[in-house]
Amino acid sequence: DGGITQSPKYLFRKEGQNVTLSCEQNLNHDAMYWYRQDPGQGLRLIYYSQIVNDFQKGDIAEGYSVSREKKESFPLTVTSAQKNPTAFYLCASSPSGIYDTQYFGPGTRLTVL
Amino acid sequence: AQSVSQHNHHVILSEAASLELGCNYSYGGTVNLFWYVQYPGQHLQLLLKYFSGDPLVKGIKGFEAEFIKSKFSFNLRKPSVQWSDTAEYFCAVVNRDDKIIFGKGTRLHILP
Repeated sequence: DGGITQSPKYLFRKEGQNVTLSCEQNLNHDAMYWYRQDPGQGLRLIYYSQIVNDFQKGDIAEGYSVSREKKESFPLTVTSAQKNPTAFYLCASSPSGIYDTQYFGPGTRLTVL
Repeated sequence: AQSVSQHNHHVILSEAASLELGCNYSYGGTVNLFWYVQYPGQHLQLLLKYFSGDPLVKGIKGFEAEFIKSKFSFNLRKPSVQWSDTAEYFCAVVNRDDKIIFGKGTRLHILP
């Protein structure tokens, strides 16, 4: 089955710890994205990458970092600098760029205690 | 700042009622427009999209949307809803600055 996998589904961390969220796709898509979804806020773009070894900041990149060393993988690190990290995180991919239809993963719910 | 507004945050309808969900955006240039849907327990998925051409676009499950450039709107419609349309609906706009903005979503609840 082609698709996007995010793991784990639920993640708990103590305040002050960095945590990395996994996102893998086997759709052979060039572009990948990370969003944050908060109740009543819709989706807000954190980072996106249109090609391997390149990525751009979205609207709320502060306190987050990403890497894109492989086409199929786009991990997101939530650092201790992120002031309000508890949220639902969605990963997506699209065939070639931000104008394309995006395909979303199941999401990871991060709770920082 | 550019924005996307979905005016209805929560809509409750009975089966067979007609549906229209509003979406307005603030960007004045060329845009690509999307409606995504998230059914309970499922991934967010594309409902329909507009890039160019006929401003009335048709999507899956009988949904359609009309792009009205003069009103900066891309409202979603369905003439007769079903219980299975219960979901959260998101409008998204991509502008020529490579910026994507999602609306805050509309929760649609269909009463059987």
